[in-house]
Amino acid sequence: DAMVIQNPRYQVTQFGKPVTLSCSQTLNHNVMYWYQQKSSQAPKLLFHYYDKDFNNEADTPDNFQSRRPNTSFCFLDIRSPGLGDAAMYLCATRYSTGLNTEAFFGQGTRLTVV
Amino acid sequence: ILNVEQSPQSLHVQEGDSTNFTCSFPSSNFYALHWYRWETAKSPEALFVMTLNGDEKKKGRISATLNTKEGYSYLYIKGSQPEDSATYLCAFGNEKLTFGTGTRLTIIP
Repeated sequence: DAMVIQNPRYQVTQFGKPVTLSCSQTLNHNVMYWYQQKSSQAPKLLFHYYDKDFNNEADTPDNFQSRRPNTSFCFLDIRSPGLGDAAMYLCATRYSTGLNTEAFFGQGTRLTVV
Repeated sequence: ILNVEQSPQSLHVQEGDSTNFTCSFPSSNFYALHWYRWETAKSPEALFVMTLNGDEKKKGRISATLNTKEGYSYLYIKGSQPEDSATYLCAFGNEKLTFGTGTRLTIIP
C-alpha cells in the first residue's frame, strides 16, 4: 500500500492560473519535503518541514508556497504558474533526520503549463 | 552550494552483465549518502543509506561502497536483469538531501 500519496498524478494548468498539488502520508513522519525535477536535471529541494517548522530554500521563487495543516498533509501552491514551472514535483517524508533514515517518496505530480 | 555528481548519465547493459556507476560528493562535512532506485511511473525507493567511511552494503545483487575521504560512492549491480532498468539517484546530506542527476540504466534482454 502506498504510504506517501500525491494527487493528482498529472496536472495541466493554464499559464498564470493558481494550482495546488497535494501530498499525504500514513507514516506519521515528522519531516516532509517538496522537490522539483525538470527533465534530465537533479531533483531540486524547494522547501521542507521539520514538524511545524517551515524551511524555505533561498532560491525557491516566491511564486511557490507551501502549507502543512497537520502531520499527514502537505500542499504545494503555485500562485502564478509560468511555462518554466512545468516539471515533476516530488513529495518525500522522513522520520526525523537521523543519519540512517531513508526518505519515502510519492509517485510525483507531473505539472504541465499551457 | 553542494555539488553531487553522478556518472555516467545513462548506461545500456546486456542482460546478465554486471555494471557499476559513480556518485561523487563533497568530502568535507559528510553526513550520509543515500542511493535510490526510481522505476518509470513509480516512486523512488531507497536502496541504501550509508554513513561510515569504508562502508559496504548489499541488497541481493546490488551493492554499494562509500569513501567519504575522497568523496565518492559506487553502486554495483551483478548479473543485470530487465527489472533493474531504472534511474539510480544518489543524495548527500543530513536534514536536507541534495540529489545528483541520476544514472539511467537500461538492461537489454
